[in-house]
Amino acid sequence: AQRVTQPEKLLSVFKGAPVELKCNYSYSGSPELFWYVQYSRQRLQLLLRHISRESIKGFTADLNKGETSFHLKKPFAQEEDSAMYYCALSEWMDSSYKLIFGSGTRLLVRP
Amino acid sequence: GAGVSQSPSNKVTEKGKDVELRCDPISGHTALYWYRQSLGQGLEFLIYFQGNSAPDKSGLPSDRFSAERTGGSVSTLTIQRTQQEDSAVYLCASSLETSGGGNEQFFGPGTRLTVL
Repeated sequence: AQRVTQPEKLLSVFKGAPVELKCNYSYSGSPELFWYVQYSRQRLQLLLRHISRESIKGFTADLNKGETSFHLKKPFAQEEDSAMYYCALSEWMDSSYKLIFGSGTRLLVRP
Repeated sequence: GAGVSQSPSNKVTEKGKDVELRCDPISGHTALYWYRQSLGQGLEFLIYFQGNSAPDKSGLPSDRFSAERTGGSVSTLTIQRTQQEDSAVYLCASSLETSGGGNEQFFGPGTRLTVL
């Protein structure tokens, strides 16, 4: 079955430290992966997607098919990065489309 | 323009009662999704609409759950005979047509349902 695993429920770092939020997936086809973020009292929003290969707010994520991973990285964390981060995998099957989400990692950036 | 809106924002109900949750997608978005977020869990897919039709209802947890979409716009998620385990935040999202998959999903603020 398709699955997304985020092993860390909470990741706490100091401002300026590097950040890596882990995401592993299992998928039988060619995966399409996303990172969504939810800031305090805001709605869930797309941060980045692997097909875009872009950096958003200093974050990058590289799809590693060998390790089935899509870890989110930022070299220097900022306090405003504190939020809940969800890794997601899209599934398109039998005319149906959905996102399969991991359980999320709360990032806390301390001053 | 306006984003996805959901109502009510909060709903407290007694066990056994029926509830109806509403979602207004972004104008022009043909695809609509319902997800459920339980405490400590990720987001769980419930149902997907393309236009008014729902090709995949497999995510609905039980036959107490149903959803409909009319006019290719507003959707309602109905939970009959609510149980305490139905307590969660129910999120709605919409996107442009998903033929081939991959369009960004825009999420609403959610409805927090509490079943006493």
